[in-house]
Amino acid sequence: ETGVTQSPTHLIKTRGQQVTLRCSSQSGHNTVSWYQQALGQGPQFIFQYYREEENGRGNFPPRFSGLQFPNYSSELNVNALELDDSALYLCASSWTGATNEKLFFGSGTQLSVL
Amino acid sequence: GENVEQHPSTLSVQEGDSAVIKCTYSDSASNYFPWYKQELGKRPQLIIDIRSNVGEKKDQRIAVTLNKTAKHFSLHITETQPEDSAVYFCAAKRDFTGANNLFFGTGTRLTVIP
Repeated sequence: ETGVTQSPTHLIKTRGQQVTLRCSSQSGHNTVSWYQQALGQGPQFIFQYYREEENGRGNFPPRFSGLQFPNYSSELNVNALELDDSALYLCASSWTGATNEKLFFGSGTQLSVL
Repeated sequence: GENVEQHPSTLSVQEGDSAVIKCTYSDSASNYFPWYKQELGKRPQLIIDIRSNVGEKKDQRIAVTLNKTAKHFSLHITETQPEDSAVYFCAAKRDFTGANNLFFGTGTRLTVIP
């Protein structure tokens, strides 16, 4: 088991609402990445946070935003929820140093938008 | 951007037989290739990874091979067991870029028949 924890585990929202998902990174890791995994698909990169700043972003609209805190934990915020936002949201932590690899995932937050 | 293709999408093998999953990638600059195992309702778990300066890597019953020229890499599982049943994802990314943007394949559902 990794030390990456996410909350909540499940969430149900309606279209147009806003949601905040939380992630605590594994001890010793300083970077958090967020991924969206639709049913039957591979995870897709949303963005990454390092030193409390966004450091890389995938093909997601600005209504997907995030934060990283001094203790390296992170939040993912999604505004104006759409039905297609229903997915498993995975947080992954890693160490950014000479190399930047070995992502360890949390168990995810299953978001359902009705 | 990078495009990772994975096949087969489903694979059934008898317990004790070998399983092979293949992936291709498009970005010749990709140099890090991890494999993740995801059981139903659980987090993706890193099971093995390979860097582009290595052609093959083995860890007990699991091995990964990489052909940089052809831009493909494969996962080999020998002596399969029922607990190997899961969805397996390959991924690729450029290392040293500062962003953990892993590009995932669409997954292979492996079923090991006792």
